Order: sequence, then structure tokens, then C-alpha cells
Amino acid sequence: AQKVTQAQTEISVVEKEDVTLDCVYETRDTTYYLFWYKQPPSGELVFLIRRNSFDEQNEISGRYSWNFQKSTSSFNFTITASQVVDSAVYFCALTPTFSGGYNKLIFGAGTRLAVHP
Amino acid sequence: EPEVTQTPSHQVTQMGQEVILRCVPISNHLYFYWYRQILGQKVEFLVSFYNNEISEKSEIFDDQFSVERPDGSNFTLKIRSTKLEDSAMYFCASRSRDSDYGYTFGSGTRLTVV
Repeated sequence: AQKVTQAQTEISVVEKEDVTLDCVYETRDTTYYLFWYKQPPSGELVFLIRRNSFDEQNEISGRYSWNFQKSTSSFNFTITASQVVDSAVYFCALTPTFSGGYNKLIFGAGTRLAVHP
Repeated sequence: EPEVTQTPSHQVTQMGQEVILRCVPISNHLYFYWYRQILGQKVEFLVSFYNNEISEKSEIFDDQFSVERPDGSNFTLKIRSTKLEDSAMYFCASRSRDSDYGYTFGSGTRLTVV
């Protein structure tokens, strides 16, 4: 079975704090992709990152960084020096890459991040 | 940058009425999807569509739901007889090919059943 768990339902921080959003996944597939999406109050899904299961290198993009650890089945997301505009719901998602599959995305429940001035 | 277009952005319908949600995927994409998000909950897979047929559907996607690609550009989701619990945000998504896992999501249609 495939599953994505985001144990943190809501996080509240003050601007400029660093914050880490946790994501733990379960899959029997040996190859898969992991994603993070941002959903601002306007409701659309904004793509942040896609990571192949073969690539365990951490990634940094501006104030965003991602830590992928296959040993613990985790793909955590850190925002450094958070800003009010980071306030949103963040979803982690998983898709297997086996051939013949149609690769639906399996989403976690999301973490609501509130950044206060 | 190419985008997936969904119309309408918001639709209000009476219980029992049929609704059609419309999506225009990116033109060279081959795989199409509908997802649903009940307010405050996670995004859930409904159905995937490839080569003019349903390739996978979830248990949510019962006989009240159908999808169609009527003219090679539009991709529609029809709910035959809406229920209150169908109220949700519906997202369309597409991607280009097997080796490309770059899903592109539309901005969603908020369906309210009253």
C-alpha cells in the first residue's frame, strides 16, 4: 500500500523563524517520485519540487530546502527565514514509476503553515 | 508557460442536478487526471484517462461520475445527479508521457451543491 503521512496538522511561527514540515511515506515500489505542493488561500496547487527516489541529494532553492532520506522514508521541507507570504497549506505527494501504471499522485493530509508578522 | 485551464472557477448547483466541469489540458500531454479536495481535507485521486479511456479510477468515482475527451482538446468531468457531499474543489491535471512526472494542475473548480 502507498501512503503519505504529514503528522503536523498546523504550524504557527513568527516571521523570520525557520520551519520544517515533515513528510513520511510508505511504498513497496523501488522507484517513485516525491513532490511538494503549496496551496495558498486562493486554492490553486503550486508545484514546488519533484524528487526521484534514486536521487537522495538534498536540494536548496532560495529559502526552501528539502531533505530526502530513503532510510527513514522521509522527505522533509524546510523554509528558512519564513515570511508572511509563506502562509499556506503544504502537501507532500508520492507517485510510483512502475511501467504500465498511470501514476496517480497520492497526497498527504497537508500541513497548514501560518506565519505571523 | 503552458497551463491547464479549468472552467468555471466556481459553480453552484442544486442537489440532483447534473454538472459538467471542463478542463483544457496542455496540448501535447497524453495523461489526464481529475482530483477532488473537500474543504479542509487532502487532495484525492478520482480518475486517470489515457488513450481515450479510463486507465484507473478510485472508489470515489462511482456510476454518478463520468469523464470524456469529446474533441481532442477538452477533458470533462460529469456528475450526473449531484449530492451535497460532492461539494469540493475539483482539480484537473495532465502530464506528457511515461517518463515525465511533471504534473501540471489547473487552478480548480469550486463546486457547491445546495
